[in-house]
Amino acid sequence: QQPVQSPQAVILREGEDAVINCSSSKALYSVHWYRQKHGEAPVFLMILLKGGEQKGHEKISASFNEKKQQSSLYLTASQLSYSGTYFCGTDTSGTYKYIFGTGTRLKVLA
Amino acid sequence: EAGVAQSPRYKIIEKRQSVAFWCNPISGHATLYWYQQILGQGPKLLIQFQNNGVVDDSQLPKDRFSAERLKGVDSTLKIQPAKLEDSAVYLCASSLGRASGNTIYFGEGSWLTVV
Repeated sequence: QQPVQSPQAVILREGEDAVINCSSSKALYSVHWYRQKHGEAPVFLMILLKGGEQKGHEKISASFNEKKQQSSLYLTASQLSYSGTYFCGTDTSGTYKYIFGTGTRLKVLA
Repeated sequence: EAGVAQSPRYKIIEKRQSVAFWCNPISGHATLYWYQQILGQGPKLLIQFQNNGVVDDSQLPKDRFSAERLKGVDSTLKIQPAKLEDSAVYLCASSLGRASGNTIYFGEGSWLTVV
């Protein structure tokens, strides 16, 4: 089952914040977050391995709520370079098969 | 460190023709994935190898798609015969192993247009 991401698309001004959610219908072992710019391969942002884990990467951080089977990506003080499509990749319990979410298109305007 | 290499980058073929894509993963990476990404959608896993064995190919259309990873290094994905709906980017990716904590590294992709 493909994880569902919300929102589908968001437009921000530089310096604004955004939250992207990833929800799964199955239990999760881990969640990966990727950013993909048009015409390029997805680029790894971070992995969350444990329920309740939070991680930070400069002004991009994420949380993983295992009980709710969801993860959220937080983008603070957005920059033009943050524009792209964000995907969560989920590993459902015991399969090591990574299923990518529906994607969220993010556009940051000057 | 060299990344995941793929070729060709672009290919245009007519429907019912065949095409093959090649992937060289990062050195030492035991797990190799082929994903299909249709424009505007997320990558869809086609097949996953662990060394030279197939771990999962449940979403591979086996009547027309085939993949192999001889010697557990390079891999080839073939489509024969191609259909219009096969137009997509075919992404190869690799990771150290199957464990959840391993990062997946993607190649730049092979863009296929079927006309």
